[in-house]
Amino acid sequence: DGGITQSPKYLFRKEGQNVTLSCEQNLNHDAMYWYRQDPGQGLRLIYYSQIVNDFQKGDIAEGYSVSREKKESFPLTVTSAQKNPTAFYLCASRGLGLTGELFFGEGSRLTVL
Amino acid sequence: QQQVKQSPQSLIVQKGGISIINCAYENTAFDYFPWYQQFPGKGPALLIAIRPDVSEKKEGRFTISFNKSAKQFSLHIMDSQPGDSATYFCAASPYNFNKFYFGSGTKLNVKP
Repeated sequence: DGGITQSPKYLFRKEGQNVTLSCEQNLNHDAMYWYRQDPGQGLRLIYYSQIVNDFQKGDIAEGYSVSREKKESFPLTVTSAQKNPTAFYLCASRGLGLTGELFFGEGSRLTVL
Repeated sequence: QQQVKQSPQSLIVQKGGISIINCAYENTAFDYFPWYQQFPGKGPALLIAIRPDVSEKKEGRFTISFNKSAKQFSLHIMDSQPGDSATYFCAASPYNFNKFYFGSGTKLNVKP
């Protein structure tokens, strides 16, 4: 089945550690996005990528990094510089030139202990 | 500064009633206004979307009303069902879809 796979679903990390969240899609979509979801704040854009080897900062990029070496993959690293990393992270993709529909993964919940 | 403002934060409706969620925006460059539905522990999924060239779009029990001059749009869920209980997000993007701005979400609870 086509879709977006995020892993791990749950992740615990100690303060000061970097952690990488995986996002893989087999929809052949060009654009991919990372959002952070906090209660009462909706979805906030961290990074997005329209094509391979290119990505742009979103509204809350500080403390995060990404790479886009392959069309189907867009991993997000939460670094120790992110002051409040505990959140639900959502990856999404969109086919360029088609509708504006975003397809989301099931999310990764990161808890910093 | 939040680009899209959504209200209410939570909503309780009786089965069979009408659920109404409102959103407002300021950026006139926005050209696409989707609504997403999210169930607990899942990612959001597109419910319905509208462009500003029409004032209303209906899909089954779900209707978007759009007021371009007021820069407001709303989601109406007719004959609300317990299975509609979820969190709903409005969003907006420019014509090229390169960035999407989401509202803060409305948690809908439909009582049986």
